[in-house]
Amino acid sequence: GENVEQHPSTLSVQEGDSAVIKCTYSDSASNYFPWYKQELGKRPQLIIDIRSNVGEKKDQRIAVTLNKTAKHFSLHITETQPEDSAVYFCAASIYNNNDMRFGAGTRLTVKP
Amino acid sequence: EPEVTQTPSHQVTQMGQEVILRCVPISNHLYFYWYRQILGQKVEFLVSFYNNEISEKSEIFDDQFSVERPDGSNFTLKIRSTKLEDSAMYFCASSPRQGGNEKLFFGSGTQLSVL
Repeated sequence: GENVEQHPSTLSVQEGDSAVIKCTYSDSASNYFPWYKQELGKRPQLIIDIRSNVGEKKDQRIAVTLNKTAKHFSLHITETQPEDSAVYFCAASIYNNNDMRFGAGTRLTVKP
Repeated sequence: EPEVTQTPSHQVTQMGQEVILRCVPISNHLYFYWYRQILGQKVEFLVSFYNNEISEKSEIFDDQFSVERPDGSNFTLKIRSTKLEDSAMYFCASSPRQGGNEKLFFGSGTQLSVL
């Protein structure tokens, strides 16, 4: 089955700097790649997703890039703020398959 | 925004006991899921459920686990004889359409501790 690897496991940045989190996946049939943010004690919530027919998607300070050939995708957060501090999970799944596989998570800390 | 609700938020049980974790998915959603997260590890897929039957399950979801939609609103996960390694946060999720290409809405989780 699909295996998703995520790096780094922890990331600390200064407020205003950029943060990049990277994921790789194993199943070339995967075509949907969401990112979830989980604040301490709260539920995971979708922040951005990308499908395999595009290489990049942007939503304000958040962007995701996808390289299908290399089977990796990345989350980019620019101008980080303390409220960006959370655990971020990447995931991958195949259309028409309900088995979504998650990465191990990255704990992002943004220092004021 | 509508939310998935889970009860209880914390559950403590003795090894070998049965537990039932409860979830109320968002009312117009059709697909339901259970995930678990062992402390410090990744969120792991357990099972998906559609049209009153399991649509996919992972290798974790063995005979000790079962799911049920006993009425029009609840979705439950039962662990028949709990083991120490079942201790984890269990998340329920739902989606309006098939989850393979769709946003999942997660509940706030049930922290299960097996002693």
